[in-house]
Amino acid sequence: QQPVQSPQAVILREGEDAVINCSSSKALYSVHWYRQKHGEAPVFLMILLKGGEQKGHEKISASFNEKKQQSSLYLTASQLSYSGTYFCGTEAGAGSYQLTFGKGTKLSVIP
Amino acid sequence: DAGITQSPRHKVTETGTPVTLRCHQTENHRYMYWYRQDPGHGLRLIHYSYGVKDTDKGEVSDGYSVSRSKTEDFLLTLESATSSQTSVYFCAISGKGYYGYTFGSGTRLTVV
Repeated sequence: QQPVQSPQAVILREGEDAVINCSSSKALYSVHWYRQKHGEAPVFLMILLKGGEQKGHEKISASFNEKKQQSSLYLTASQLSYSGTYFCGTEAGAGSYQLTFGKGTKLSVIP
Repeated sequence: DAGITQSPRHKVTETGTPVTLRCHQTENHRYMYWYRQDPGHGLRLIHYSYGVKDTDKGEVSDGYSVSRSKTEDFLLTLESATSSQTSVYFCAISGKGYYGYTFGSGTRLTVV
């Protein structure tokens, strides 16, 4: 079952912050975040594991609430280069190595 | 230096014809995946492989088959293409342990 992402789309001005949410009805072991620019392949941003371990980039961070089966992606001081569609991918079981992706959140950053 | 390549990049085929898409990796990763991407649906898993000759179905596997005879190659076959299989197909690879997927550049398939 696909995780649910919200919002579906958001428009920001440069320098503004954004939060993208991902929620699942299943117990999760890990959550991945990817960004896809138009006409390109998705690119890995970070992974969050059950237990709170996080890997990520500067100015882009994420949290994982295991009790609620939710993850949030935080983009601070947005830049034009942040524009694209963001996908969360969820893994239900440890070692399953299969991701189920949400439908995506389209982020547009304008000058 | 891509590490993962897909071929062809674009293909137009007629309804009822067989089609094979190829994914080739140079990373020696164990896990390989085929996803399709359609507007409003995101990325949906078709089939995946966890080793040579070890494959399993994803959520949208009907009408597709796969083969993996070598670590580096993962083939996706549409036995008899239908218009509903018009889509962008992405291959992805993943190593053991918790690292992200690396996606190929995609194959845009149009079935007319």
